[in-house]
Amino acid sequence: RKEVEQDPGPFNVPEGATVAFNCTYSNSASQSFFWYRQDCRKEPKLLMSVYSSGNEDGRFTAQLNRASQYISLLIRDSKLSDSATYLCVVKPGGYQLIWGAGTKLIIKP
Amino acid sequence: DVKVTQSSRYLVKRTGEKVFLECVQDMDHENMFWYRQDPGLGLRLIYFSYDVKMKEKGDIPEGYSVSREKKERFSLILESASTNQTSMYLCASHGGAALYGYTFGSGTRLTVV
Repeated sequence: RKEVEQDPGPFNVPEGATVAFNCTYSNSASQSFFWYRQDCRKEPKLLMSVYSSGNEDGRFTAQLNRASQYISLLIRDSKLSDSATYLCVVKPGGYQLIWGAGTKLIIKP
Repeated sequence: DVKVTQSSRYLVKRTGEKVFLECVQDMDHENMFWYRQDPGLGLRLIYFSYDVKMKEKGDIPEGYSVSREKKERFSLILESASTNQTSMYLCASHGGAALYGYTFGSGTRLTVV
């Protein structure tokens, strides 16, 4: 089993719709969680950290479920510019990050 | 904003060549990382460094070495390039606070022929 698993997609979603995807992790001692966004042929960029109580940043909401060991990302009122690959990242502790392989999102007009 | 600069955007090298990939960050971060990214596999950690002259192996260090002589610079060395090292290489830096993510350079797409 991979340490961090994501549905690779692609998720094809009409503009304006709400889309959500999950990411599961295997290490129950993981301490920090992040969502990154990566555009085609570009480097990953931090989208948001995921806090234990859940957090929101504009149209984006991140949730953490420690009992079931998953994090989620919800995007409301999706825009064409949201098309990207979304990477789930888990920090078990120490210096390292464990990366999911990403979920590809395509927003269609 | 933290800037992480990788010296080359695209590189083409021949099998057996020694290859140097350079990475420089300008925010005095202690931690620096080298990843490779391949389709369907996500980012895989090659090496990281948490201080000058310190280095730690990541998940896939074979065929690579690193150098960190100055805090701002972290170099990845392919001792003898092979075709299976064709990949996107990403350098990242991190200041240490747990809730802050990593900042990446724009990547080097290396092709070994």
